Amino acid sequence: DTGVSQDPRHKITKRGQNVTFRCDPISEHNRLYWYRQTLGQGPEFLTYFQNEAQLEKSRLLSDRFSAERPKGSFSTLEIQRTEQGDSAMYLCASSSKFIRGSAYNEQFFGPGTRLTVL
Amino acid sequence: KQEVTQIPAALSVPEGENLVLNCSFTDSAIYNLQWFRQDPGKGLTSLLLIQSSQREQTSGRLNASLDKSSGRSTLYIAASQPGDSATYLCAVEGAQKLVFGQGTRLTINP
Repeated sequence: DTGVSQDPRHKITKRGQNVTFRCDPISEHNRLYWYRQTLGQGPEFLTYFQNEAQLEKSRLLSDRFSAERPKGSFSTLEIQRTEQGDSAMYLCASSSKFIRGSAYNEQFFGPGTRLTVL
Repeated sequence: KQEVTQIPAALSVPEGENLVLNCSFTDSAIYNLQWFRQDPGKGLTSLLLIQSSQREQTSGRLNASLDKSSGRSTLYIAASQPGDSATYLCAVEGAQKLVFGQGTRLTINP
């Protein structure tokens, strides 16, 4: 399977704990995105990487959130001191305009990580 | 700031009907527009992408159109089936990120 994968699929944690999510993009995609989706809403942009460089962060990404993509391949999203308001689905997507057969910057999404903060 | 609106929020139709989902956006300076499908509790599946220079795209029973000047897109689903039941999201790309609407929850009744 060459799609975007995310781990874990579900995470339940207690308020105040730290959590880390992982995203593996489609091989050779140079762009990687994180979005957050709450119930009944569309996804909201959090941050994006081109290769290993983090090029943009949303104001939604508070100081408790940090994302990395150390070698330009997989990415991690860490939330420190979780709050109940962090409960959401965290979606990862990847894209590349250089891949034959892929429309310019078409984003492909993973299955998401559902976070529940008790 | 780009805002994307989808109407209706929910739609229920009998199997076999042709239907249209609507999407509007406030800033016409977009690179492309994507339509996605989302099943409950799952990730997003890309259905169609229309580049800003294009007017429409087709895939099987799906046809999406784009009118940048008026800030509108429609997704046409022909001969609907119960398996088409899902939430449909449209998203516009500007400055490297997608801005999503809230989605239309579609139910096809057998």
